[in-house]
Parts: sequence; C-alpha cells; structure tokens
Amino acid sequence: EAGVVQSPRYKIIEKKQPVAFWCNPISGHNTLYWYLQNLGQGPELLIRYENEEAVDDSQLPKDRFSAERLKGVDSTLKIQPAELGDSAVYLCASSPGASRGEQFFGPGTRLTVL
Amino acid sequence: KNEVEQSPQNLTAQEGEFITINCSYSVGISALHWLQQHPGGGIVSLFMLSSGKKKHGRLIATINIQEKHSSLHITASHPRDSAVYICAVQDSNYQLIWGAGTKLIIKP
Repeated sequence: EAGVVQSPRYKIIEKKQPVAFWCNPISGHNTLYWYLQNLGQGPELLIRYENEEAVDDSQLPKDRFSAERLKGVDSTLKIQPAELGDSAVYLCASSPGASRGEQFFGPGTRLTVL
Repeated sequence: KNEVEQSPQNLTAQEGEFITINCSYSVGISALHWLQQHPGGGIVSLFMLSSGKKKHGRLIATINIQEKHSSLHITASHPRDSAVYICAVQDSNYQLIWGAGTKLIIKP
C-alpha cells in the first residue's frame, strides 16, 4: 500500500513569491492534516480536514496561507506571498478518521525562502 | 510547564544496549503516539497506544493511564536506530500535542 505522497520534496523561492504544496493521502483515509515543522521543534498543526471539510483551521495564517481538499482526496496548501519566516518543513498526514487510528506522515516538503 | 514532557532530551548509547525513553503528560488523552524522525527525513509512526503494551520487533511501548506515563524501549539497539523519538498525545479534540523529542545516538 502506498504511503502519503507529497510533492515537491524541496522548494526554494524568493520572498514575496507564491508557492504550493501537494499531498495525496493514503487511499480511504478520510482525515488529512497539514503541519508546519521548524528545525528542532515538533510539528504544529495548520489545518485538519474531514473529507473535504476543513474542521480545524484555527492555526492557519489566513492572510497568506490557504488550503483546499477538493473531492475529499488530494490536498493543496498554498502560501502567497511567502515570507522569510515561512522557511520550514511542511508535513502532510492522513488517518482513517480523526478518532480512529494513527496518523501516517508523508516525507514533507522542505521550503526555503530567500 | 509543557503538557507533554519527554526524557531524556538526548541519549547516547553503545550498540546492543537496552534503551528507554520516557514520556509524561498532564492532559486527558484518547491515545498516545510514539513516532520516529531521522535527520532530514519524514516522520514515521511507531505505535499508537491507549492502554497496556505493544511490541513490534525490537521496539516495545507501554502506557500507564493512571500515572499518565509512557515508555518506549528498544532492545539490542543498533546504529540505524539513531533518530529523534517523539511522544505525542491525542487530546479529546483529536489534536496531537507533541513532546520535544529525544535525540538518540547509537554508537557502533
């Protein structure tokens, strides 16, 4: 069974540019998470989806970050415009349901903003 | 005080040693997770526990709900076990509260 797929693995952009990350969760997993992880720290939840509905986006900086999960499968996280402080690893995870099963993480996208 | 405390923060041991990493938490939880992260790598889920004990290969995880404490043990440790081990608890809103991680180095 394929795991959580993320692309790109690495992205380098200049500040003020837009950037997008893509995630394909494990087949059949209804819950999808986007996390931000700074170096040496634990992941911070940005947004959680149950199917296509964003049920927790309280930590998502909505002035520049947006996310969507069309058809309740793949998801895209976008930053526009990117700032220097956005440099981090962006992790996507999925689980069968919020209350069921462990979360399976993708390899992450390492973003560097110059 | 952090809601999830891990100890030790760093651990260096010789190959073959028995490793124990501890996790204490102060909130009500629905489950506790142990995860592994290699340098520059993604996060891998090792265990999800709500009670008792689980074993997978050389890894053993235990949880004591009354004492709000969990341990991760590695038997016959190997250099490839070197990684950051993270304890995370799942609260009543299904959010994960992460510990700071334990950096483990196993020397050959």
